Amino acid sequence: GNSVTQMEGPVTLSEEAFLTINCTYTATGYPSLFWYVQYPGEGLQLLLKATKADDKGSNKGFEATYRKETTSFHLEKGSVQVSDSAVYFCALSDRGYSTLTFGKGTMLLVSP
Amino acid sequence: DAMVIQNPRYQVTQFGKPVTLSCSQTLNHNVMYWYQQKSSQAPKLLFHYYDKDFNNEADTPDNFQSRRPNTSFCFLDIRSPGLGDAAMYLCATSSQQGSAKNIQYFGAGTRLSVL
Repeated sequence: GNSVTQMEGPVTLSEEAFLTINCTYTATGYPSLFWYVQYPGEGLQLLLKATKADDKGSNKGFEATYRKETTSFHLEKGSVQVSDSAVYFCALSDRGYSTLTFGKGTMLLVSP
Repeated sequence: DAMVIQNPRYQVTQFGKPVTLSCSQTLNHNVMYWYQQKSSQAPKLLFHYYDKDFNNEADTPDNFQSRRPNTSFCFLDIRSPGLGDAAMYLCATSSQQGSAKNIQYFGAGTRLSVL
């Protein structure tokens, strides 16, 4: 079956630090890959996506590249802000209409 | 703005007392999903509707039911809530068409407490 593995958190950084959150996946075929973000007390928001190998998704300074050879989709940001503090979920979809398999989530805490 | 709206945001019920959570959408998406998310865990898919077709996940307890009377609305019914059903319940929608094909859009969630 499908699975997504994320690095455990919390990840604690100072403002303007570089962020990497690792994500690897197991799936049959060629899944689409997503990063969702969940701010405290809220639902999930799509942060970025990639639908095929070597695609790079980007949004709000965050980036992730679909690496089929390493089955990875690591999330990066060059300079984090306090407002980026949230839980980040990596997810994949390989069914025709997007039933998502989520990782367990990684909490990011950014201090001033 | 088009969106996914969940009501109420917070719901308190008593052990064994039926409760209904509601989700509406203005996106005109044909697929609607219900997830359960417990503290510090990933969302877990309970079931989804593809148009009017109901699809139950194999491990979703019978205690959870759903209704979709029309494209815009979907309800989650918990027939006899137990303490273990306390969680955040998330509704999501997706479409098979357009530039946002197969992207799921989530509501803000309903946090259910069971006393």
